[in-house]
Amino acid sequence: ETGVTQSPTHLIKTRGQQVTLRCSSQSGHNTVSWYQQALGQGPQFIFQYYREEENGRGNFPPRFSGLQFPNYSSELNVNALELDDSALYLCASSTASGSGVEKLFFGSGTQLSVL
Amino acid sequence: GNSVTQMEGPVTLSEEAFLTINCTYTATGYPSLFWYVQYPGEGLQLLLKATKADDKGSNKGFEATYRKETTSFHLEKGSVQVSDSAVYFCALSDRKGAGGGNKLTFGTGTQLKVEL
Repeated sequence: ETGVTQSPTHLIKTRGQQVTLRCSSQSGHNTVSWYQQALGQGPQFIFQYYREEENGRGNFPPRFSGLQFPNYSSELNVNALELDDSALYLCASSTASGSGVEKLFFGSGTQLSVL
Repeated sequence: GNSVTQMEGPVTLSEEAFLTINCTYTATGYPSLFWYVQYPGEGLQLLLKATKADDKGSNKGFEATYRKETTSFHLEKGSVQVSDSAVYFCALSDRKGAGGGNKLTFGTGTQLKVEL
């Protein structure tokens, strides 16, 4: 049990729709990262939020956007859904430190299916 | 850019067998290296890590040594159990300061099946 909770656990959408995924960070963690894990692949970094600002982004188009709230919870929004967006979306929280080596605590993920 | 390559699975072993899962990486600078494990229906859990060359990470009988000369971080366990059945991911992280946008670069994962 990592203390990171994601909702919903499963979601089915159709192509062109918009979706919002939610994540509650582990208590005391000020950094949240989002990853996309396609079937049979390793997780791919989408972006990271630190103190409510985007702080690093992977190779994902602008239709992937996010928010981090004052309580450090977070949302991932995806507009104009495509079939290839079908994946497990993982949220991970951590505490930024001067060493730059952060232990990430992952949630169980949201399984998104785009039909 | 950074990349991680790990051996393809599935790897099927009998209980008490010796396990090796190979992992090599490409990175600029001096990354930190990790092994994560993913049990069915769950998120990833950190198994072990190493932050500098020649460090050995260990946990629950698993070990991996950071080899800068061969850019490798192979996972080993002397005697596997059925409960070790899972998908194992090798990963690296750039070294950056606080709030520096650290990200993990993962390999594609290796599924381990341990049979009685």
